[in-house]
Amino acid sequence: DVKVTQSSRYLVKRTGEKVFLECVQDMDHENMFWYRQDPGLGLRLIYFSYDVKMKEKGDIPEGYSVSREKKERFSLILESASTNQTSMYLCASSSAGQGFYGYTFGSGTRLTVV
Amino acid sequence: GQQLNQSPQSMFIQEGEDVSMNCTSSSIFNTWLWYKQEPGEGPVLLIALYKAGELTSNGRLTAQFGITRKDSFLNISASIPSDVGIYFCAGQGVYGGATNKLIFGTGTLLAVQP
Repeated sequence: DVKVTQSSRYLVKRTGEKVFLECVQDMDHENMFWYRQDPGLGLRLIYFSYDVKMKEKGDIPEGYSVSREKKERFSLILESASTNQTSMYLCASSSAGQGFYGYTFGSGTRLTVV
Repeated sequence: GQQLNQSPQSMFIQEGEDVSMNCTSSSIFNTWLWYKQEPGEGPVLLIALYKAGELTSNGRLTAQFGITRKDSFLNISASIPSDVGIYFCAGQGVYGGATNKLIFGTGTLLAVQP
């Protein structure tokens, strides 16, 4: 069964901490994405990557960075966590070019910053 | 960032009722997708549509790719309690390119009372 795996389902961090959210996919997908989901705001794209070491800003990149050193792994980094980054974070992956069948999402990480 | 107009925002229905929701865009799309997100989980793909006018079913779910390529519809027949969740539409634009980036709707929250 193909999968996108996010390392933590729930995280609680303190304001100012550096936070790493990890995502691994086993489908050999070129593209990987990080979204945050807040009530009433839908899915908002933070960053995406279309190849190893490549990244592009999404709609709300401020306060976040990403790393993609291997094709299967895409990490989201909160350099200095703040309470307004409390949210549900979703990772997704997809194939590139022909044969596009949508995104496969992970189960999400619910992050609380206190 | 761009989001699709999805309606209704929420629906509270009785078990056994039929449900309809739709999504509209100001630009044309090559692909329309419908996802369901259950509480505490990531979105899961329900139906993918690749051609204008296409009508596709998945069990009690039926979705259509609008003729204008600017809208899509999802119908759920004879709803049951496990249909509860948030339903998202997503579209891939004509110029999606190799990244196959999707644009998401704002979601429809469905609650089903037994």
